[in-house]
Amino acid sequence: ILNVEQSPQSLHVQEGDSTNFTCSFPSSNFYALHWYRWETAKSPEALFVMTLNGDEKKKGRISATLNTKEGYSYLYIKGSQPEDSATYLCALYGQNFVFGPGTRLSVLP
Amino acid sequence: DAGVTQSPTHLIKTRGQQVTLRCSPKSGHDTVSWYQQALGQGPQFIFQYYEEEERQRGNFPDRFSGHQFPNYSSELNVNALLLGDSALYLCASSLIATNEKLFFGSGTQLSVL
Repeated sequence: ILNVEQSPQSLHVQEGDSTNFTCSFPSSNFYALHWYRWETAKSPEALFVMTLNGDEKKKGRISATLNTKEGYSYLYIKGSQPEDSATYLCALYGQNFVFGPGTRLSVLP
Repeated sequence: DAGVTQSPTHLIKTRGQQVTLRCSPKSGHDTVSWYQQALGQGPQFIFQYYEEEERQRGNFPDRFSGHQFPNYSSELNVNALLLGDSALYLCASSLIATNEKLFFGSGTQLSVL
């Protein structure tokens, strides 16, 4: 059974700051790692799908990396904006999706 | 192109009652998965339906059951409700056996009193 952890649980940053958070997992026995952004009162929305060790994905100011050998993925946000405030979920896809508890980001103007 | 739709948005039930939640997948998707999201936790996988059959199941009791219809829409049924069943129930659609991203509905907030 996969166990997905995320850190920190929550963080507050000032507008313009860059930030990053971590998704960690004990096993490389999965097909893909997904990152989702979940804004309040909305549905979770996919950011990235990564499958290979060393994968790097970028979408605007947000990027992610995957290290399956050491069991982690980082999500980076450059120059945080208030609209980046959301809960960021990572999920491993093996037989089904196993989600981490999320990191709640608040960007203060 | 309609995304994933769920109904109802909110629901209040009492202990021991039964509830049915509904989900219509994104157009072109054949697989529906259900998740329970309690406060402070990530979404927990309940089960997945494809071709009108339950293909995978998470660690949930038999009180949780589901159904998928020929048009790919799905229902989640919970019998003998407990206080601990209070949560946000999310439906997600996808294509079977792919790494493709999930498309989520906005969820049904169930409160059990």
